[in-house]
Amino acid sequence: AQSVSQHNHHVILSEAASLELGCNYSYGGTVNLFWYVQYPGQHLQLLLKYFSGDPLVKGIKGFEAEFIKSKFSFNLRKPSVQWSDTAEYFCAVNPTGGATNKLIFGTGTLLAVQP
Amino acid sequence: ETGVTQTPRHLVMGMTNKKSLKCEQHLGHNAMYWYKQSAKKPLELMFVYSLEERVENNSVPSRFSPECPNSSHLFLHLHTLQPEDSALYLCASSQAGGRVGELFFGEGSRLTVL
Repeated sequence: AQSVSQHNHHVILSEAASLELGCNYSYGGTVNLFWYVQYPGQHLQLLLKYFSGDPLVKGIKGFEAEFIKSKFSFNLRKPSVQWSDTAEYFCAVNPTGGATNKLIFGTGTLLAVQP
Repeated sequence: ETGVTQTPRHLVMGMTNKKSLKCEQHLGHNAMYWYKQSAKKPLELMFVYSLEERVENNSVPSRFSPECPNSSHLFLHLHTLQPEDSALYLCASSQAGGRVGELFFGEGSRLTVL
């Protein structure tokens, strides 16, 4: 079955620390990849996306993610986190070729940034 | 403001009650979704409507009944639920045929089944 794994369930960092959140997926075909973020008390919103081309994609608020096809990974990075980055982060995969915008989500990683 | 509005934001119901969750999108999209978000579990896709036709039902129990009367509105009718159905129910919309995966989510309806 198709699945998405996020290795870290809870991450605690100090401000200015670097961030890397892991995401691996199990699907042998072509995929579109996403990171969504949910700030406390707010709705899920798109952080960045990969469809094709340059495997290093840049998103909002200084986030970036790298698609490594051979590793089935799409890790999220930020060089220097801020307190306002405290949120839950979800990796999602869309296996292409389907008739609908079906997104398969990971379990999420809760990031707490300490001032 | 997300463009996707869900009501009610909180709902407490007994196992024999009948209630409904409502979702309205103001983005001009033509695909709508119901997801279930439970603690420590991945978001679970429940239903997908595209152009008002149900195109996906992810083995959801019949005690959950979706309805999509038009492209802007989506309902989830609830009947004889179980305590394990307590969760955050998220509605999302997108443009069918557009950039796949760019879903716009509402803030969710927190359901507690007693």
